[in-house]
Amino acid sequence: QQPVQSPQAVILREGEDAVINCSSSKALYSVHWYRQKHGEAPVFLMILLKGGEQKGHEKISASFNEKKQQSSLYLTASQLSYSGTYFCGTVRPMDSNYQLIWGAGTKLIIKP
Amino acid sequence: KAGVTQTPRYLIKTRGQQVTLSCSPISGHRSVSWYQQTPGQGLQFLFEYFSETQRNKGNFPGRFSGRQFSNSRSEMNVSTLELGDSALYLCASSFPGTSGGPSPDTQYFGPGTRLTVL
Repeated sequence: QQPVQSPQAVILREGEDAVINCSSSKALYSVHWYRQKHGEAPVFLMILLKGGEQKGHEKISASFNEKKQQSSLYLTASQLSYSGTYFCGTVRPMDSNYQLIWGAGTKLIIKP
Repeated sequence: KAGVTQTPRYLIKTRGQQVTLSCSPISGHRSVSWYQQTPGQGLQFLFEYFSETQRNKGNFPGRFSGRQFSNSRSEMNVSTLELGDSALYLCASSFPGTSGGPSPDTQYFGPGTRLTVL
């Protein structure tokens, strides 16, 4: 039931682009993205609701493909500050009280 | 506004002992969720409290319990500690209605309590 994130880890040079995927085998209602820097608490990035539009946050945007039950997080022209572990949290319509189920995370390392 | 605070930040216990962790949410937030984070398992949901009632529960044994007070502060208790309980315990608070839909609202995480069981 845990969503699958891919890749598990990625190393980029500053300025390069990255895509992080979050897939579920079950129908989803929403997908939530958070970023956790080393030694810090996770920080909210964005929520994508079923039927909603693609959202953006600075140079980070995301999409939600309802047919594939997959969300993708796009990081363009990556900056050193983007380094961290990205988590997606998924919500299924049938879950009581819309409980978040978290992926294992994708570790992103940006090198200068 | 002050963020979510957790105490203590670090804790070392031995097997068999019990521990209580505390979480103070952002002022005005009524929901508090607890998570266990380990390198191998990622974020695992423990439970959520809203207005002093447990609203959601994850798949953890009964040794893990929690409660919420009238001021929304929450405590988590782990009894009969095991080595596998060593982890970072995060709490997150949220304010209802911020997600834009019938979905979990934005979670504001605290810095966590690092528990080491020897």
